[in-house]
Amino acid sequence: GEDVEQSLFLSVREGDSSVINCTYTDSSSTYLYWYKQEPGAGLQLLTYIFSNMDMKQDQRLTVLLNKKDKHLSLRIADTQTGDSAIYFCAEKSAGYNKLIFGAGTRLAVHP
Amino acid sequence: GAGVSQSPSNKVTEKGKDVELRCDPISGHTALYWYRQRLGQGLEFLIYFQGNSAPDKSGLPSDRFSAERTGESVSTLTIQRTQQEDSAVYLCASSFNWAAKNTEAFFGQGTRLTVV
Repeated sequence: GEDVEQSLFLSVREGDSSVINCTYTDSSSTYLYWYKQEPGAGLQLLTYIFSNMDMKQDQRLTVLLNKKDKHLSLRIADTQTGDSAIYFCAEKSAGYNKLIFGAGTRLAVHP
Repeated sequence: GAGVSQSPSNKVTEKGKDVELRCDPISGHTALYWYRQRLGQGLEFLIYFQGNSAPDKSGLPSDRFSAERTGESVSTLTIQRTQQEDSAVYLCASSFNWAAKNTEAFFGQGTRLTVV
């Protein structure tokens, strides 16, 4: 079945770049997503990438997709304390009506 | 409303009691999803509604769980004879027709259920 895996924790210094990694198993994935969850808040879509792309950039966010290795990453440039949150990777497969989420990566940004 | 609204935001119930969780989707969104998030874990798919089509119930963990939705309006998730392992945050999301194209799913704040 579908499976999405992420490392659980990442700590970075303010101003550095953060790279959050994700692997998935379903080769028929059509869209891959990054969601952000701040304490006490709902999930917010950050960005997504279609499976025929290998990179997408949106301001401080860069998404890289290696479809051969089924590896997705999210790079946050110039990480700020406001970026501290849990980041979830999710994939949507062709023909399925649901998003499959990873366990989430908790990003801690310190001075 | 402006976003997906869930109620109650917190619910504490005794083991064995039934609970009902409510989700008000964004107006016009035909697709509605329920997910469960246990402490420190990812989101577990429970059920998906799309318009008047038969719901995808493949994620419901047991027959104690059921969900209803009338048309494109409110949905309720019911858990009968609650158990301690049901303690989690239950998240609802809605979107335009999911299968037709990539559309963003908007999440509510969730209902934190604690079974004591």
